[in-house]
Amino acid sequence: AQRVTQPEKLLSVFKGAPVELKCNYSYSGSPELFWYVQYSRQRLQLLLRHISRESIKGFTADLNKGETSFHLKKPFAQEEDSAMYYCAARNFGNEKLTFGTGTRLTIIP
Amino acid sequence: NAGVTQTPKFQVLKTGQSMTLQCAQDMNHEYMSWYRQDPGMGLRLIHYSVGAGITDQGEVPNGYNVSRSTTEDFPLRLLSAAPSQTSVYFCASSPRTGGGDGYTFGSGTRLTVV
Repeated sequence: AQRVTQPEKLLSVFKGAPVELKCNYSYSGSPELFWYVQYSRQRLQLLLRHISRESIKGFTADLNKGETSFHLKKPFAQEEDSAMYYCAARNFGNEKLTFGTGTRLTIIP
Repeated sequence: NAGVTQTPKFQVLKTGQSMTLQCAQDMNHEYMSWYRQDPGMGLRLIHYSVGAGITDQGEVPNGYNVSRSTTEDFPLRLLSAAPSQTSVYFCASSPRTGGGDGYTFGSGTRLTVV
């Protein structure tokens, strides 16, 4: 079965410290991977997708096919990074996205 | 350009009542979907549509109906509301090609069933 796993429900990090939000996937073939973010009282919005290989708001994510992981990283956390983060996956050419259960990131001032 | 518009933003229903959550998009996206968001469970797919006249079930379809008579609209109907349907509901759309930036989400409908 297609599955996206985010093992941490909650993560607290001090401002200025590095951040890593974990995501593992179980998919047949080579899926597309995404990170979505939901700030307080706002709609979900796309943060990153693996095929673009770009850095958004200082975040990066590398697809590791051997470990089937797509961890989200930022070297120095900022208070405005506090939000809910969802990892998601879909097969290429298929619109259906499967989401993980989400990680709530809190940046401690 | 409004993107994805959901109405209402908030709703309280009594057990057994029915209602329709509205979703409309103005981006000419073929693909539309409904998710529910529950604490600790992430977003779970209820129903989806790959184009007008075509709908299919997602992971948690029981108690919900959808239809897609136009490309723009994808309403979600609760047939007989139950407390277990208390949740935040999100509508999302994307181009059919599956590429680009993934989904565009609506702002959500917070539903409470008492």
